[in-house]
Amino acid sequence: AQSVTQLGSHVSVSEGALVLLRCNYSSSVPPYLFWYVQYPNQGLQLLLKYTSAATLVKGINGFEAEFKKSETSFHLTKPSAHMSDAAEYFCAVSLHTGGFKTIFGAGTRLFVKA
Amino acid sequence: DTGVSQDPRHKITKRGQNVTFRCDPISEHNRLYWYRQTLGQGPEFLTYFQNEAQLEKSRLLSDRFSAERPKGSFSTLEIQRTEQGDSAMYLCASSPESWFRSGANVLTFGAGSRLTVL
Repeated sequence: AQSVTQLGSHVSVSEGALVLLRCNYSSSVPPYLFWYVQYPNQGLQLLLKYTSAATLVKGINGFEAEFKKSETSFHLTKPSAHMSDAAEYFCAVSLHTGGFKTIFGAGTRLFVKA
Repeated sequence: DTGVSQDPRHKITKRGQNVTFRCDPISEHNRLYWYRQTLGQGPEFLTYFQNEAQLEKSRLLSDRFSAERPKGSFSTLEIQRTEQGDSAMYLCASSPESWFRSGANVLTFGAGSRLTVL
């Protein structure tokens, strides 16, 4: 069965600093991987997705993630944090064999200090 | 299209009462999913529909929970004899059959229905 582990439930960075949110996955077959963001009182929104094309994936709002099969990782980065990036970020994995079920990690809350 | 709509946004009920949540997906999406999210956790899969067929249910979905999508459009999630442990945000999401055109099954989420059981 597939699973996702997000390292660090809270991450705090200064405005303008690098953002790095860590995600490791477990899957018996090549997975599809996603990062979603959730702002307060809103539903989850897709940031970016990995679909076995390019290993470096660019998403919205300047975020990107790199798929590393050898490390089973899909870490999310942004070169320069903005106050508006403060939110909760979820890594997710999906297998398109049968269920189309998407499994989410526990989430990482990003705080951005002025 | 206004996206995925959920109603009500907030529900406070007493233990033992029944509650029902409604989800209206994006009209051209044939897949509909229900997730539960508790504080500090990621969304947990509950069930999903392809058109009107309920194809998978999580073990989290006890006998007190039932979901329907009678005409393949909107869906309802009913919780009978609510317990305090049912307090959570119930999220609905939908995705199109043509997911392969975008390369992956991307979910579009509603804002959620928050349940508080007293």
